Amino acid sequence: SQQGEEDPQALSIQEGENATMNCSYKTSINNLQWYRQNSGRGLVHLILIRSNEREKHSGRLRVTLDTSKKSSSLLITASRAADTASYFCATAYTNAGKSTFGDGTTLTVKP
Amino acid sequence: EPEVTQTPSHQVTQMGQEVILRCVPISNHLYFYWYRQILGQKVEFLVSFYNNEISEKSEIFDDQFSVERPDGSNFTLKIRSTKLEDSAMYFCASSDPSGPSYNEQFFGPGTRLTVL
Repeated sequence: SQQGEEDPQALSIQEGENATMNCSYKTSINNLQWYRQNSGRGLVHLILIRSNEREKHSGRLRVTLDTSKKSSSLLITASRAADTASYFCATAYTNAGKSTFGDGTTLTVKP
Repeated sequence: EPEVTQTPSHQVTQMGQEVILRCVPISNHLYFYWYRQILGQKVEFLVSFYNNEISEKSEIFDDQFSVERPDGSNFTLKIRSTKLEDSAMYFCASSDPSGPSYNEQFFGPGTRLTVL
């Protein structure tokens, strides 16, 4: 299975701290995407990182990919209460192929 | 910013009834997807669609499911005879096969289907 698995399952931090979430997968991928989901809401696309990339940034988000370890991490710097949500990684093994989601990390940022 | 839209936001139906969930993908996107998320569970792939045909489907996507692109803008998921276990949030997604954001799958807000 190429299924992504996130850890930790739950993370609770204070506002202003950094949050790091990890994703591991089992087979070679074409790309990996990170999404945010607020409770009962839709999936918001955060970042896509391709298999030939090692790091990408978007605002306060930093994503790394280590294909040798089959893992990725999402770092949110200077977290805010509004960052409270579930975060999912989704892997795809072909261009435009289906995404396989992990169980997600539930992040709580306390004001 | 362009976005994927879905209607209705919430659909309640009786077991055995047919439902059609509607999606309008981002206009220049060519790949379309349906996923579902049962409450408290992970997001699961159902089907992908390209060039007016199914390109991939999961085990979940059995004969009671079908997809259609009836015109140049809509993408629909039909469930012929709903079961209680079809209750879930259904997400439509689309992606662009070219350009700087190629392969990024953008999701709609979802349709919450409740089967009674």
